[in-house]
Amino acid sequence: DTAVSQTPKYLVTQMGNDKSIKCEQNLGHDTMYWYKQDSKKFLKIMFSYNNKELIINETVPNRFSPKSPDKAHLNLHINSLELGDSAVYFCASSQERAGEQYFGPGTRLTVT
Amino acid sequence: DQQVKQNSPSLSVQEGRISILNCDYTNSMFDYFLWYKKYPAEGPTFLISISSIKDKNEDGRFTVFLNKSAKHLSLHIVPSQPGDSAVYFCAATLFGNEKLTFGTGTRLTIIP
Repeated sequence: DTAVSQTPKYLVTQMGNDKSIKCEQNLGHDTMYWYKQDSKKFLKIMFSYNNKELIINETVPNRFSPKSPDKAHLNLHINSLELGDSAVYFCASSQERAGEQYFGPGTRLTVT
Repeated sequence: DQQVKQNSPSLSVQEGRISILNCDYTNSMFDYFLWYKKYPAEGPTFLISISSIKDKNEDGRFTVFLNKSAKHLSLHIVPSQPGDSAVYFCAATLFGNEKLTFGTGTRLTIIP
């Protein structure tokens, strides 16, 4: 069983569209994260949720809205997609609010 | 401002020899450091970590060394194996804080 899963794996869409990426973890972890890896391979945290509560919001445009319906899920909705949003988005989870994080396989988003 | 730096984008090592990956950080408040390994089209996977109260942590073929005065850590892999070929990221945080700050990664290639 996959510990942290993301759907879709690939997403190609046009500028201006709205899209969502889903993430689920079956590890029973309390904390979940979204990271963005840009074209320079720089992996940067976007959001962190602990028990469905937003903990970290790293100066991300408000076009990005995370939603955590329960502890096991953290979805990312992006409005009005721009070319600069093209990247690989990784979901992760951890048992505690620090330390070892388990990552999903990533979603490659391409905005044309 | 890149607080965690991996100045070598790539490294090639012969199978059986020692691989040494380096990482520097600028924020003296960081007190917990982690190494992640990433294969293509997969998410990063946790490898090994070290707290600032130690200067060395060993796990099988992997050893992480921390030099606090130099703000430098290194990952030693010995002996190197073909399956070690991957991108290695170092990350730093304040223990108890969810936010990991990643370096840009070093691509390690093990030559058979």
